[in-house]
Amino acid sequence: DAKTTQPPSMDCAEGRAANLPCNHSTISGNEYVYWYRQIHSQGPQYIIHGLKNNETNEMASLIITEDRKSSTLILPHATLRDTAVYYCIVRLFGDKIIFGKGTRLHILP
Amino acid sequence: DVKVTQSSRYLVKRTGEKVFLECVQDMDHENMFWYRQDPGLGLRLIYFSYDVKMKEKGDIPEGYSVSREKKERFSLILESASTNQTSMYLCASSLNPGLAGVNEQYFGPGTRLTVT
Repeated sequence: DAKTTQPPSMDCAEGRAANLPCNHSTISGNEYVYWYRQIHSQGPQYIIHGLKNNETNEMASLIITEDRKSSTLILPHATLRDTAVYYCIVRLFGDKIIFGKGTRLHILP
Repeated sequence: DVKVTQSSRYLVKRTGEKVFLECVQDMDHENMFWYRQDPGLGLRLIYFSYDVKMKEKGDIPEGYSVSREKKERFSLILESASTNQTSMYLCASSLNPGLAGVNEQYFGPGTRLTVT
């Protein structure tokens, strides 16, 4: 079973910030939070990951709560090309990564 | 850029046929993975490999086998294809995480297999 809980779908207006939440209340101390996305008919694409501190890269920002039980992926200026399914993943021991059902993000023109 | 390629984007096979799905990565990654993706079920791990000639079962290995004879190539084999194996198959690769425990997976474009 996936160790994360995400809303099944969300809408966001083009040009606005998209904030995608994820709950991972059973995360252990050495587990990282990863975010991937999958655009229709393509393989998943890595976005960002973090352990405790907030992280930012050219694609997105990741905000992790102090207790690490939840996080938020922020796409600062959403475009139509950001329409995709977004997966929040907590990495298990070894290299197995379990994908849940993700959040289907619709960017509205 | 990391590149993961899969031999076919679309494949149609008959029930009972032996099917080979090939995956090649060009970044010298140690780890390679095979997933299938079905509507409503998300991505599910079939098999993975940490090194040449090594393989580990994922969550749904039944009906599949794998082969890793070279570091860059990971093959998924359906010994006798069945209609319930109609799916999107995705290959991925990653570096070994080492002590840092951090690594990301790079995915291929997927192969949509239809078994009739």
